[in-house]
Amino acid sequence: AQTVTQSQPEMSVQEAETVTLSCTYDTSENNYYLFWYKQPPSRQMILVIRQEAYKQQNATENRFSVNFQKAAKSFSLKISDSQLGDTAMYFCAFMRQGGSEKLVFGKGTKLTVNP
Amino acid sequence: GAVVSQHPSWVICKSGTSVKIECRSLDFQATTMFWYRQFPKQSLMLMATSNEGSKATYEQGVEKDKFLINHASLTLSTLTVTSAHPEDSSFYICSARGTGGGLPQHFGDGTRLSIL
Repeated sequence: AQTVTQSQPEMSVQEAETVTLSCTYDTSENNYYLFWYKQPPSRQMILVIRQEAYKQQNATENRFSVNFQKAAKSFSLKISDSQLGDTAMYFCAFMRQGGSEKLVFGKGTKLTVNP
Repeated sequence: GAVVSQHPSWVICKSGTSVKIECRSLDFQATTMFWYRQFPKQSLMLMATSNEGSKATYEQGVEKDKFLINHASLTLSTLTVTSAHPEDSSFYICSARGTGGGLPQHFGDGTRLSIL
């Protein structure tokens, strides 16, 4: 079974600075997808970024980028120029390709952006 | 695009009643929908996976008779919590995935269920 580990329960960063959230996973699969979801206080789950395992290039979405290290099974999220609206829970998630394609979530990291 | 509507957003009811939660994909056809439960300050726990026109697949430890899931169309799935008790109080979230592989799941806004 796949597992996802987020070792930082809480983090904080000053507005406009950069922060990196860690995520590691364990799987014997070769074809899969990785995601970062954001859950603000409203509790809506918002997709931040997605990475296909077969792609070597790291995904980037505006201020959000990932460092995907397949051999190390690491998938960290970097948030640049942090904004107050980035304050939220961030969940790393794994999805095996094929089958039901259900998501396996990490326990989450609570990020607080301070003014 | 990729909007998922979940209703109701908040429900309070007495112990012993049944509660139905709806999950609709508004602008795409959802061949697969997922139901999660989230306790305060915890991660999402997958309860079941439902495919249109077939029986739901429940995760280990989830009571099928307690949490009835119906996915009768490509845009609607329902979760019915039968004979609800206070321990069933939680935040329930649905997600939907369209056709094709590897597509991300799109989440509804969740339902806060409180059983008195």
